Amino acid sequence: DADVTQTPRNRITKTGKRIMLECSQTKGHDRMYWYRQDPGLGLRLIYYSFDVKDINKGEISDGYSVSRQAQAKFSLSLESAIPNQTALYFCATSDNRGTNEKLFFGSGTQLSVL
Amino acid sequence: AQSVSQHNHHVILSEAASLELGCNYSYGGTVNLFWYVQYPGQHLQLLLKYFSGDPLVKGIKGFEAEFIKSKFSFNLRKPSVQWSDTAEYFCAVTNSGGYQKVTFGTGTKLQVIP
Repeated sequence: DADVTQTPRNRITKTGKRIMLECSQTKGHDRMYWYRQDPGLGLRLIYYSFDVKDINKGEISDGYSVSRQAQAKFSLSLESAIPNQTALYFCATSDNRGTNEKLFFGSGTQLSVL
Repeated sequence: AQSVSQHNHHVILSEAASLELGCNYSYGGTVNLFWYVQYPGQHLQLLLKYFSGDPLVKGIKGFEAEFIKSKFSFNLRKPSVQWSDTAEYFCAVTNSGGYQKVTFGTGTKLQVIP
């Protein structure tokens, strides 16, 4: 079983619809992240959470919201999807113990907004 | 704010050629540096990392990278590439203290021709 699981793997939706992407992890990590990947732009951080009560905006948080329901769950919502939110979305986790900032990624969610 | 620049967006090499991918970062303090690789259709995975000590770090699959503090660089190298190295490569940086948010470069697509 994957350590970081994202659902759904693919989603096609229409402009204006509300969409939720879910992420769960079995690694026991406190830190969780949502990134989006666009061709030529690399990965950009949307939101991150260093524990259940900690939520922080990343570099491109406008149009997105998140919820950290538990240590193992971190969901990303698009309240009203728009076409330029079409992208590949990755959830990631990391261990805050010591200096090990290695990120563990999920398999990604390809979102298309028509 | 920290930032990462990868100057090569797309590199095409023949098998057995040598590889060097450039990465420069911008941050005033002490940093941790990473190279991640994304094989076609897969999620990102860690290739190698530098936290401290020997500035020449070795990673998986024969890759290495050299941290040159005076040049703010962390270039990735491999003496002889293989077709299976075809992938997208991302340089990333975190600051060493406090909240360690990871910033990625825009990525370099490597295509190795048999």
